[in-house]
Amino acid sequence: GNSVTQMEGPVTLSEEAFLTINCTYTATGYPSLFWYVQYPGEGLQLLLKATKADDKGSNKGFEATYRKETTSFHLEKGSVQVSDSAVYFCALQEYNNNDMRFGAGTRLTVKP
Amino acid sequence: DTGVSQNPRHKITKRGQNVTFRCDPISEHNRLYWYRQTLGQGPEFLTYFQNEAQLEKSRLLSDRFSAERPKGSFSTLEIQRTEQGDSAMYLCASSADLYTGELFFGEGSRLTVL
Repeated sequence: GNSVTQMEGPVTLSEEAFLTINCTYTATGYPSLFWYVQYPGEGLQLLLKATKADDKGSNKGFEATYRKETTSFHLEKGSVQVSDSAVYFCALQEYNNNDMRFGAGTRLTVKP
Repeated sequence: DTGVSQNPRHKITKRGQNVTFRCDPISEHNRLYWYRQTLGQGPEFLTYFQNEAQLEKSRLLSDRFSAERPKGSFSTLEIQRTEQGDSAMYLCASSADLYTGELFFGEGSRLTVL
């Protein structure tokens, strides 16, 4: 079945460091891929998405590229800020399927 | 836009008791989802409504769990005869469109079964 595997955390970085959070997926079809973020005390919210191979999703300085050949959707940011501290979830959804599958989440802490 | 609202935010109950959670989605969203999240894990899909119709249920949703969305607006998730393994965060999400994949989540209702 469909599944998502995320890099285990927690991840602790200094401000302005480069961030990569790895995500790989298993799917029977051609899913859309997502990164959701959960800030402390808030609900999950969509950070970015990509709907087909080679698409790049981007938002708030974060980027992720849908790599079909490596079944990956790694999240990157060139220079993190303290305000980026949150839990990040990779997710996939098959077309016309209501069951969105989430990874286990990666907690990021950015220190000043 | 008040977002997705869930209550209660935290419920502590004894094993064997029944509990009910309520979700008020974003008003114009016709799709509503329930997820369960345990510590250190991502959300797991439980069930989905389109308007008042419950169209999908995960096999995670045992017969002790029942969800309703009587008028296509708010939804309730009831757990009967709670067990310690039911302790988790129960998340509600809504969306307007299946194909954008954007779910709007509430802050969740945390259940602790003693």
